[in-house]
Formats: sequence, structure tokens, C-alpha cells
Amino acid sequence: LAKTTQPISMDSYEGQEVNITCSHNNIATNDYITWYQQFPSQGPRFIIQGYKTKVTNEVASLFIPADRKSSTLSLPRVSLSDTAVYYCLVGPLSSGSARQLTFGSGTQLTVLP
Amino acid sequence: DTAVSQTPKYLVTQMGNDKSIKCEQNLGHDTMYWYKQDSKKFLKIMFSYNNKELIINETVPNRFSPKSPDKAHLNLHINSLELGDSAVYFCASSRENGGYEQYFGPGTRLTVT
Repeated sequence: LAKTTQPISMDSYEGQEVNITCSHNNIATNDYITWYQQFPSQGPRFIIQGYKTKVTNEVASLFIPADRKSSTLSLPRVSLSDTAVYYCLVGPLSSGSARQLTFGSGTQLTVLP
Repeated sequence: DTAVSQTPKYLVTQMGNDKSIKCEQNLGHDTMYWYKQDSKKFLKIMFSYNNKELIINETVPNRFSPKSPDKAHLNLHINSLELGDSAVYFCASSRENGGYEQYFGPGTRLTVT
């Protein structure tokens, strides 16, 4: 079971690029890396998913080094509305065990004006 | 239209009672989940249900039981409620079981007194 470690909290200012790193030293060969965003009083929302190298979509980029033991979620030019908890999730796309989908405690990102 | 809905949004009850939380998804997904989020924002999967197959996180007490009347619904029944059951419960769905993009409901805040 791949355990993830993220910083508990981060602060940034509007307009800056924010990078949140997740460590997953015992990631398995068939594991993917997924990031979710959660606002207060709402359910988590999918941001991005990747397996290796770099993935980019309209809201974020995900950088995964060759050894895949960590990953970095990059949010370009954050705004106040990006203040949320960000979760890193590591697991296979097809899971035979519900325990493999553990989100952890996430990173509280606070964007300041 | 809400993709994943839950009722009720808030539930306050006493220890020892039995309660249910309902979940419905209109995305046509094959898999539904239940998660528990504690006060420290730790998000833990409880169950996943796919094509009549129930995958249980073995750490979940058997007082918790999911019931699926059809593919679009996965209700959570909790017997003999305990103080430690107080948390926010999220329902989610995805097109297949595992690490695929999940769509979460708004959550049900359960308070056991």
C-alpha cells in the first residue's frame, strides 16, 4: 500500500505559481498519481492524474520524476479562490482493495492578497 | 443537475440509534464509494461497490453496511451509532472501480450525541 506524505500547509500570494510536493516512496508499478482539491463544506474535486513525466491540463500541471517516488502539483498564477485542501492519492486504476484508495490528510493551501 | 447527491446534508442523532444516508448519481457510472472524513480532514475510503461486487475496507466496523437498490444508488446504513462515528461522510462515483476520476457528493455531516 503506497503511503503518501504531503506538507500540512502552505501559504502563497495571488499571482504566484504554487508547487505542492507529495512523497510516495513505495509506489507500485501499476499505481497512478491523482490530485484532488477540496473547498470547505464540499466534496473533493478531481484536478489531474498521471503516471510518469509531465501532465498538463487547463488548471494544473503534474510533474513526476523518473523514479516516481514523488510528484509535484503545480498551480500557475493562483488566486484567492484556489485556497483549498489539496490531496495526493496513489493507487492502481483497478483496485481490488478499498484500502488502496486512501487520500491522507492533504495540504491546506492559503492564498493571500 | 447535480451529478452526485446525498441526503440529508446534516444528521444529528443519539448514541445507539440506527440511521441511513442516501446517495444518488446520474452520471451512469458503474462504481460508487463511501468515504469518511474526520475532523482532521483525513479522508478514508469505507466501501466501493461495482456491478454487484462490494469491496470493503477491512478496518470499517460491521455496523456500517452499504445497500445498493440499483446502479445509481448506494445508501449507507449505520447501526448502533457511537460518538466516534461523528464525521462527514462523502459518497462518490467513477466509471470503473479503482483510481479513475471520482465525482464526489456534497457530504453529510453526522453528529452523534
